[in-house]
Amino acid sequence: AQKVTQAQTEISVVEKEDVTLDCVYETRDTTYYLFWYKQPPSGELVFLIRRNSFDEQNEISGRYSWNFQKSTSSFNFTITASQVVDSAVYFCALSDNTDKLIFGTGTRLQVFP
Amino acid sequence: GAGVSQSPRYKVAKRGQDVALRCDPISGHVSLFWYQQALGQGPEFLTYFQNEAQLDKSGLPSDRFFAERPEGSVSTLKIQRTQQEDSAVYLCASSSYRGPNTGELFFGEGSRLTVL
Repeated sequence: AQKVTQAQTEISVVEKEDVTLDCVYETRDTTYYLFWYKQPPSGELVFLIRRNSFDEQNEISGRYSWNFQKSTSSFNFTITASQVVDSAVYFCALSDNTDKLIFGTGTRLQVFP
Repeated sequence: GAGVSQSPRYKVAKRGQDVALRCDPISGHVSLFWYQQALGQGPEFLTYFQNEAQLDKSGLPSDRFFAERPEGSVSTLKIQRTQQEDSAVYLCASSSYRGPNTGELFFGEGSRLTVL
């Protein structure tokens, strides 16, 4: 069965600190996709990144970076020099070749000024 | 509109009432999804439409839940004889691609249902 585990329920940091959000996934499929979404207080989920299982290259987008390691079934997300606007709930998600995304339970990030 | 629009944003229902939740996807988007998000949890898949065809309804929790998208644009999620366990935020998402894997999903702000 497919499963996504986000063990960190809540993280609090002070502005400008770096923070890493962990994501561990389980799947028996060889072809799958991994995602990160951000959910601000307004409620809508905002797409951040999509990765397929054949692309283990790390990705950097501004202050955001992602580390995909198939050997440990992890897809971790790092925010460098965090800002108050980064405060939100972050979800990691997994999809095989079906219609649905399997979401983790989310990590609430609070960035204090 | 510019984004996915859902209405009502908040709905309070008495147990046993029927409710209808509406989703206006981004114009021209082929795929439409409904997810249910309980408090403190991640969203859980309910159903998927490609145009007007409901291709997957495996996530609907019971036969009290029904979704439609008759003209391939607006979708309605209907819950009959609501129960307290139906209390959740119902999220709608759309995509210009077929399925969730090839492109990003655009989510609405959700409809928060509270069943008393």
